[in-house]
Amino acid sequence: GNSVTQMEGPVTLSEEAFLTINCTYTATGYPSLFWYVQYPGEGLQLLLKATKADDKGSNKGFEATYRKETTSFHLEKGSVQVSDSAVYFCALNYGGSQGNLIFGKGTKLSVKP
Amino acid sequence: GAGVSQTPSNKVTEKGKYVELRCDPISGHTALYWYRQSLGQGPEFLIYFQGTGAADDSGLPNDRFFAVRPEGSVSTLKIQRTERGDSAVYLCASSLQGEETQYFGPGTRLLVL
Repeated sequence: GNSVTQMEGPVTLSEEAFLTINCTYTATGYPSLFWYVQYPGEGLQLLLKATKADDKGSNKGFEATYRKETTSFHLEKGSVQVSDSAVYFCALNYGGSQGNLIFGKGTKLSVKP
Repeated sequence: GAGVSQTPSNKVTEKGKYVELRCDPISGHTALYWYRQSLGQGPEFLIYFQGTGAADDSGLPNDRFFAVRPEGSVSTLKIQRTERGDSAVYLCASSLQGEETQYFGPGTRLLVL
């Protein structure tokens, strides 16, 4: 079946450190891939997405590249800030505009000043 | 513009009681989704509406759960004979027709005592 696996947290980094959160997926066909972020006390927000192989999604300094050969969509940021502290969810959509999202378990990131 | 809103933000009930959770999608969004998020987990799909009809209800855990969207806008998730295991955050999301990106509400935190 379709599933998403992401690295377990929590992840604790110092400000300006490099961030990688790993995400791999299992899916039939060619899903779209997403990263959602949940800041403390707030709802889920779309961070970035990629809809086909080799696409790179980017937003707010975060990037992720859709790698079909490794079935991965790792999230990266070159220099994290305290304000990036949040829970990050990797997700896939295999049904196009009529599909529901399948989420990973989430990775909590804490950035220390 | 206004985002997805959900009411109530918190609901405490006793085992065996009936509850209704409401979702107001973004105006003009024809697709509406319900998810359930247990502590430490990613959201899990429950049901998807396209307009007034439930296009996919495969995620509803059992027949105690039911959802309606009679006029194609507001949706209500109904849980009968609540159990302690139903305690979770219930999330609603909406999207434009033909679009994959889903916009999430802040959720309703349900606690069954």
